[in-house]
Amino acid sequence: EVQLVESGGGLVQPGGSLKLSCAASGFTFSGSAMHWVRQASGKGLEWVGRIRSKANSYATAYAASVKGRFTISRDDSKNTAYLQMNSLKTEDTAVYYCTRLAYYYGSGSYSPGGMDVWGQGTTVTVSS
Amino acid sequence: DIQMTQSPSSLSASVGDRVTITCRASQGISNYLAWYQQKPGKVPKLLIYAASTLQSGVPSRFSGSGSGTDFTLTISSLQPEDVATYYCQKYNSAPLTFGQGTKLEIK
Repeated sequence: EVQLVESGGGLVQPGGSLKLSCAASGFTFSGSAMHWVRQASGKGLEWVGRIRSKANSYATAYAASVKGRFTISRDDSKNTAYLQMNSLKTEDTAVYYCTRLAYYYGSGSYSPGGMDVWGQGTTVTVSS
Repeated sequence: DIQMTQSPSSLSASVGDRVTITCRASQGISNYLAWYQQKPGKVPKLLIYAASTLQSGVPSRFSGSGSGTDFTLTISSLQPEDVATYYCQKYNSAPLTFGQGTKLEIK
């Protein structure tokens, strides 16, 4: 079964740090680009950032709202992606989802195809 | 950065109705557009990718169209289980921006 399981959420004070983990199973994790998406209570989905595969130099990209504070990494030997969150603000309070960007084969090449696998989410609360 | 704008923000329709949600990108994104369904308290679910390709297992009453800047999600015959918030997302390049969402209710 294809699965993503996040962990590491919790309560942290403003200015603090937290590291989330995303354990993958059931698919070739090392070849997949992994993304983090968050959702504040009652609000919409916000893309946080992504890390590409080794074949794509583990390239990372971040939303402007978290750039310089959050870092995404991965350990392919453990089939796990991470989201290191520093200098946390109250507005970072949200459910954080780990997700995979799928690829499909068509017209002679592989193309991205949306986020087809999502974890159940882990809650991060930033409050004093 | 490219902005994604959905309309309407909410809508109410009757069972059996044809429902259309639109998504507009501030710049062209070819067909790198996905639609997601999020039911209350649940994880988002991929419905459509590449603007018009139905994800495996998604009912055929869902369809997508468009290319460039203007996209549409259509539910041909609304069912009670379709009550959810729907999001579009561009994924041609980072940031992979979502639309603000459309909350769909049954009248």
